[in-house]
Amino acid sequence: DVKVTQSSRYLVKRTGEKVFLECVQDMDHENMFWYRQDPGLGLRLIYFSYDVKMKEKGDIPEGYSVSREKKERFSLILESASTNQTSMYLCATRVQGYNQPQHFGDGTRLSIL
Amino acid sequence: AQTVTQSQPEMSVQEAETVTLSCTYDTSESDYYLFWYKQPPSRQMILVIRQEAYKQQNATENRFSVNFQKAAKSFSLKISDSQLGDAAMYFCAYRSLTTSGTYKYIFGTGTRLKVLA
Repeated sequence: DVKVTQSSRYLVKRTGEKVFLECVQDMDHENMFWYRQDPGLGLRLIYFSYDVKMKEKGDIPEGYSVSREKKERFSLILESASTNQTSMYLCATRVQGYNQPQHFGDGTRLSIL
Repeated sequence: AQTVTQSQPEMSVQEAETVTLSCTYDTSESDYYLFWYKQPPSRQMILVIRQEAYKQQNATENRFSVNFQKAAKSFSLKISDSQLGDAAMYFCAYRSLTTSGTYKYIFGTGTRLKVLA
């Protein structure tokens, strides 16, 4: 089974802090994704990476950046956290291939005070 | 741009009954994939079922099946013999080709399914 591990299940930070969310996968998947999940809005794609050091903006990249220095690790960075970034953050991975689904981590519930 | 719409924020079903969750999408692509994902309370999101657009036959996985109407751009999920463990948030997703030649997924807003004992 694919294992996607997010570093924290719950996280509380203060406005203006630089926040790092980490995601690690153990299946050598090329593609990795960061989403935020908000009630009534579903999952919205923030950034994704299709290979090491390669990244592409999703639908809501403002206020976020990402880093992928190694294949197994994809980090989401909130440069200066704001209260409107309080949300559930989901990491997903996917092996390159036409019909391959995504595999998700457990999520990080982030609160910005 | 592709969009995915789930018009039912919440649904309820009696245990052992059948329920259908709706999903519509908009796209100009002719070849694509559609997915249903399940997110149980406080648990990981998992794949339920997937459908290739060029396949006319509806996908089936045990008690889960889809009704794929390509012309109508409709992709509904039918759950038969509902069980208490089916209670979850269900998301419909569309696989979209990006400018870099890889794939990203567009999700609907979700339908919360309650199963009544």
